[in-house]
Amino acid sequence: SQQGEEDPQALSIQEGENATMNCSYKTSINNLQWYRQNSGRGLVHLILIRSNEREKHSGRLRVTLDTSKKSSSLLITASRAADTASYFCAAPNQAGTALIFGKGTTLSVSS
Amino acid sequence: DTEVTQTPKHLVMGMTNKKSLKCEQHMGHRAMYWYKQKAKKPPELMFVYSYEKLSINESVPSRFSPECPNSSLLNLHLHALQPEDSALYLCASSQGTRGGGDEQFFGPGTRLTVL
Repeated sequence: SQQGEEDPQALSIQEGENATMNCSYKTSINNLQWYRQNSGRGLVHLILIRSNEREKHSGRLRVTLDTSKKSSSLLITASRAADTASYFCAAPNQAGTALIFGKGTTLSVSS
Repeated sequence: DTEVTQTPKHLVMGMTNKKSLKCEQHMGHRAMYWYKQKAKKPPELMFVYSYEKLSINESVPSRFSPECPNSSLLNLHLHALQPEDSALYLCASSQGTRGGGDEQFFGPGTRLTVL
């Protein structure tokens, strides 16, 4: 069953602009993760945010988590063409034994 | 070595063939995973191995048979597949065995086409 739902499904921006993707989930979680996937390739882990954290930064990435609204956002600042990829949020299933991936946001950054 | 390797990169097989996908990691990770990903869809979990033992089987058809010969290797044996099984098969590993609470490291995937 789907745990995370990303919004928007697709996003097109120019280099240098910021990109924001949102993720909503259904059940209480103790962490949420974001992954990036370049076309037809494996996923790369970007960031893990725990339920007791509201915000986390990694380079040009900023992730927020609002457990009261069951939502998270991923902000990529000063985007580059190399950021073109699909971005997935992933949250634990109810038993905490596996990750359930959201449908993903496809980001296209043009130069 | 911080990568997960998968072979082959591409595989084309007929519905009567038997083939295997291979995954390897040398990070000392204790959990390994198989995912299936169809085009423009998220990865879907198939199997989880924890300490070389199968801990999760997400109701996967028996034509997919996983095997974990040792802590570094994970195989997926394929037999009598259907065209709808064509997909990208991803292997992942994690240091911990909590599944939902650990960063997972993914291989590049095997693109499988069933004719």
